[in-house]
Amino acid sequence: NAGVTQTPKFRILKIGQSMTLQCTQDMNHNYMYWYRQDPGMGLKLIYYSVGAGITDKGEVPNGYNVSRSTTEDFPLRLELAAPSQTSVYFCASRTGFAEQYFGPGTRLTVT
Amino acid sequence: AQSVTQLGSHVSVSEGALVLLRCNYSSSVPPYLFWYVQYPNQGLQLLLKYTSAATLVKGINGFEAEFKKSETSFHLTKPSAHMSDAAEYFCAVTGKNNNNDMRFGAGTRLTVKP
Repeated sequence: NAGVTQTPKFRILKIGQSMTLQCTQDMNHNYMYWYRQDPGMGLKLIYYSVGAGITDKGEVPNGYNVSRSTTEDFPLRLELAAPSQTSVYFCASRTGFAEQYFGPGTRLTVT
Repeated sequence: AQSVTQLGSHVSVSEGALVLLRCNYSSSVPPYLFWYVQYPNQGLQLLLKYTSAATLVKGINGFEAEFKKSETSFHLTKPSAHMSDAAEYFCAVTGKNNNNDMRFGAGTRLTVKP
């Protein structure tokens, strides 16, 4: 199993541009999550999904959108990128058990 | 809502010394508690978890943590630090009935001196 994979690894965006961060898991997990990690701040939940077709907001959803058309994929969309969205983004998934499995992250810079 | 506080953003120990990373939680419901480790430029890897079985939890790489309800703590320890333990460590909490809302501490960076 590859586990949780994320693309791209790095990206630089200009203010106002849009992009999609990709996340795929091959563990048949129902639950998937998007976090952002800012220095000294830990991880904050952006959006999550409990299964295909079902998504919900987390702690910091503004400026982002998600969709979940399949069990495997959970893309995160940034519309009108802003400098405040400069961060490292992590995707994670889990089964019915409690722990989450994390991808390697996408480092995004908005200038 | 639940939260965790990690005491000390940086901890430095000598190789072979005891590692103690502190985590206190706040939760209105019985919690699940976790410790994750993050090596540079990598994702988070689970070290150990508490899900209301034994209060002393053993994890990977020789780490363990003890759930103390009376102190609302879940401190991470390792008897003898190794150079390879240098990383950032995160404590996290979810509620048993709402484990989609995992809250992380700010992290503790562990440095191991030779």
